[in-house]
Amino acid sequence: GIQVEQSPPDLILQEGANSTLRCNFSDSVNNLQWFHQNPWGQLINLFYIPSGTKQNGRLSATTVATERYSLLYISSSQTTDSGVYFCAVGGGFGNEKLTFGTGTRLTIIP
Amino acid sequence: DVKVTQSSRYLVKRTGEKVFLECVQDMDHENMFWYRQDPGLGLRLIYFSYDVKMKEKGDIPEGYSVSREKKERFSLILESASTNQTSMYLCASSSRTRGVHEQFFGPGTRLTVL
Repeated sequence: GIQVEQSPPDLILQEGANSTLRCNFSDSVNNLQWFHQNPWGQLINLFYIPSGTKQNGRLSATTVATERYSLLYISSSQTTDSGVYFCAVGGGFGNEKLTFGTGTRLTIIP
Repeated sequence: DVKVTQSSRYLVKRTGEKVFLECVQDMDHENMFWYRQDPGLGLRLIYFSYDVKMKEKGDIPEGYSVSREKKERFSLILESASTNQTSMYLCASSSRTRGVHEQFFGPGTRLTVL
C-alpha cells in the first residue's frame, strides 16, 4: 500500500513565526488532504489538494504530484494553530480510502 | 456545509458487551468509512462502504462488523467488546460520483472498554 511520511514530527514555535510541514508519499495519488485535529479530536479539513497550490487566509498548500510530496505553510502562527496536522492520501476512483501519515504536532508559544 | 454526526462523543462499556456506534451524513455521499485512532499508531481504516448494503474490510477489521441499511447511515458494531478496542473512533464520508473525493469527518467517539 501507499506509504505516507510527515516531517517534522514535532514543531515548537513562537507566536508570529512561519512554518512549513512536509508530506512525502510513495505512489501516485488522486486524493491528498491536509487536516488539523483540534483538542477535542475532530479532524478539520484544511485542503483538498491532489495537485497544484491553494491558499486560505494564513494557510497555503502545494502538492507536486510528479515528485510525490506536499507542503503545508502556516504564516504568522497563532496559539489556536496548535494541534496535530495530518496529511492523508488516496488512490482515486475505486480506491477512495485514505492512508494517513503519523502527523506533525505543532505547538505555538505565546 | 457537509455534516457528519456520530451518536456519542464519549462511551463507556464493559468487556463482552455488544456496542453500536452510529454515523449519519447529510450530503448524499456514496462512500462512508470507519477509522480508529490510537496514540503512536495514527488513524487506521476498519471498514468502508461504497453503497447501501455494501461493505469492504479495511486494514484492521478483526473484532468489528458494520451495517449500512440506508445511504446516510453507517454503523460500526463491536460484537463482544474487549479492552484493546478502547480507542477514538472516527466516521467519514465522501462522494463517489462528483469527481472530488474529499473526505469529511465526524466529531469522533471516545470509547472506553472496562
